[in-house]
Amino acid sequence: EDKVVQSPLSLVVHEGDTVTLNCSYEVTNFRSLLWYKQEKKAPTFLFMLTSSGIEKKSGRLSSILDKKELSSILNITATQTGDSAIYLCAVPTSGSRLTFGEGTQLTVNP
Amino acid sequence: DSGVTQTPKHLITATGQRVTLRCSPRSGDLSVYWYQQSLDQGLQFLIQYYNGEERAKGNILERFSAQQFPDLHSELNLSSLELGDSALYFCASSRTGGEKLFFGSGTQLSVL
Repeated sequence: EDKVVQSPLSLVVHEGDTVTLNCSYEVTNFRSLLWYKQEKKAPTFLFMLTSSGIEKKSGRLSSILDKKELSSILNITATQTGDSAIYLCAVPTSGSRLTFGEGTQLTVNP
Repeated sequence: DSGVTQTPKHLITATGQRVTLRCSPRSGDLSVYWYQQSLDQGLQFLIQYYNGEERAKGNILERFSAQQFPDLHSELNLSSLELGDSALYFCASSRTGGEKLFFGSGTQLSVL
């Protein structure tokens, strides 16, 4: 059965800290891995990593795919209170559906 | 704003009732997905439609059904509601059924 596991499930840090969120996957026919940020309601797309694009960066956020270890990390440097959200990792499985991990609840305190 | 529109935003109803959730995908997107998010289960895939046809089915209960209309909007029908059906229901769309999904802001369903 396809599986996506995220850790930790929750994390509390202070503004300015650097955090690393983890995602591991077990899927057949791996094609890509996606990260989403969910504040209040709708998940919003952050990154998509593939075999041809194993590293992505946008401002203070960056993500790396490790195909050998079947995992990915999402790094956030110099965290701000606005980074507080649930971070979701997802992998396409069984066609084009996305299977999501449980998410990491990040809380950044001032 | 993702461009995916869901209505209503909130819905409060009683056990045994039936409700309909509506979704309009982004302009040009042919594929619509429905997900359920509850506190203890994360985002669970329910069903996918592509250009009016059912493409994939997840752990969708028999009491739930969906369809996609010729104008590409979709409806999710939930019947014989139970307390455990209380959750946030998301619709998402993509251009061709590809991997990057755009999510609506969800319908918060409360079954009392």
